[in-house]
Amino acid sequence: DADVTQTPRNRITKTGKRIMLECSQTKGHDRMYWYRQDPGLGLRLIYYSFDVKDINKGEISDGYSVSRQAQAKFSLSLESAIPNQTALYFCATSDPNHTEAFFGQGTRLTVV
Amino acid sequence: AQSVTQLDSHVSVSEGTPVLLRCNYSSSYSPSLFWYVQHPNKGLQLLLKYTSAATLVKGINGFEAEFKKSETSFHLTKPSAHMSDAAEYFCVVSELTSGTYKYIFGTGTRLKVLA
Repeated sequence: DADVTQTPRNRITKTGKRIMLECSQTKGHDRMYWYRQDPGLGLRLIYYSFDVKDINKGEISDGYSVSRQAQAKFSLSLESAIPNQTALYFCATSDPNHTEAFFGQGTRLTVV
Repeated sequence: AQSVTQLDSHVSVSEGTPVLLRCNYSSSYSPSLFWYVQHPNKGLQLLLKYTSAATLVKGINGFEAEFKKSETSFHLTKPSAHMSDAAEYFCVVSELTSGTYKYIFGTGTRLKVLA
């Protein structure tokens, strides 16, 4: 089984709809992250969480919200999806010493 | 704030020839540096990492990178490219901000390997 699992893997949604992307990890790490990937821009940080009670905005948090339901679960929500949120989204977790980040397989989201 | 610059958005090499993917960083602290690879329609896989130990770091699949503090560089190399190396490569620096760490990604270099 994968260390970091994202669901769904692919999703097409309409403008204005609410959508949730889910992430779970089996590494036992406290730190979890959500990134979006756009061509030519690399990965940009949306939100991150260093434990269940700690949620922090990243560089592009507008239009997104997150929930850390448990140490192993970190979900990303788009309250009202818009076309420029079409992207590949990655969830990640890292060890306490920050020596490596483990990524999920990604969720390809298309907003039409 | 730390930043990462990948100097080439696309690199093409012939199979069997050397690979060089360039990365420069800016950092106020002793950085941790990483290279990740993303194959088409796949997630991100760690190739190698530098965390203040040996400056020449060996990774998987024959890749290696050398940390050069004087040049603020962490270039990725491989002596002989294989077709399976075709992918996108990301240089990443670990940033210490307000007592916590975050990962800062470069914009990526797409490697094409020609037969």
